[in-house]
Amino acid sequence: DSGVTQTPKHLITATGQRVTLRCSPRSGDLSVYWYQQSLDQGLQFLIQYYNGEERAKGNILERFSAQQFPDLHSELNLSSLELGDSALYFCASSVGGSGYGSGNTIYFGEGSWLTVV
Amino acid sequence: SQKIEQNSEALNIQEGKTATLTCNYTNYSPAYLQWYRQDPGRGPVFLLLIRENEKEKRKERLKVTFDTTLKQSLFHITASQPADSATYLCALREGGGADGLTFGKGTHLIIQP
Repeated sequence: DSGVTQTPKHLITATGQRVTLRCSPRSGDLSVYWYQQSLDQGLQFLIQYYNGEERAKGNILERFSAQQFPDLHSELNLSSLELGDSALYFCASSVGGSGYGSGNTIYFGEGSWLTVV
Repeated sequence: SQKIEQNSEALNIQEGKTATLTCNYTNYSPAYLQWYRQDPGRGPVFLLLIRENEKEKRKERLKVTFDTTLKQSLFHITASQPADSATYLCALREGGGADGLTFGKGTHLIIQP
């Protein structure tokens, strides 16, 4: 158990709908990351928050947004869903902000399976 | 553009032998490189980190080498067991001020009894 909790574990929804994925980081971790994993693309970095502020953006679509709340949990909002958004969405956390050379290990949750039909 | 390459073909190894996985990268100057294990439908799990000034790192049956001149890391599992069967991902730190990691697509390792 990594200590990162994600809900829901599975979600099936129709095209055009909106869903929210929730993540609670490990105790003491200030950084939260969202990754998308599909069979053909592998793990794709979407976005990082550090202590409530957006720190970095990766390949996140404009239809997607995220936030990190004062209690450090995070939500990923996916809207106007398309079939191609079906994937496993991972949340991960780390201490973060520790500098480039310090070796920031990331701890992953078990993921949320999203199926868009 | 930055790229991390791992052998996309599955690697079949007989139990008891050493499995060697390769990670090559381009357009990175990483301070460190990490290896993760991922089982089907599960989140990646951290295994080892090796820094740019380290040539080799060991942990139990695992060994990682890092050659910044060749831009390559090798990941070895000695005395392999069927339970080692999984996908192994190498990862480098994102650019642009992020603390996150960019992952290779992983190599699927199958240890046959």
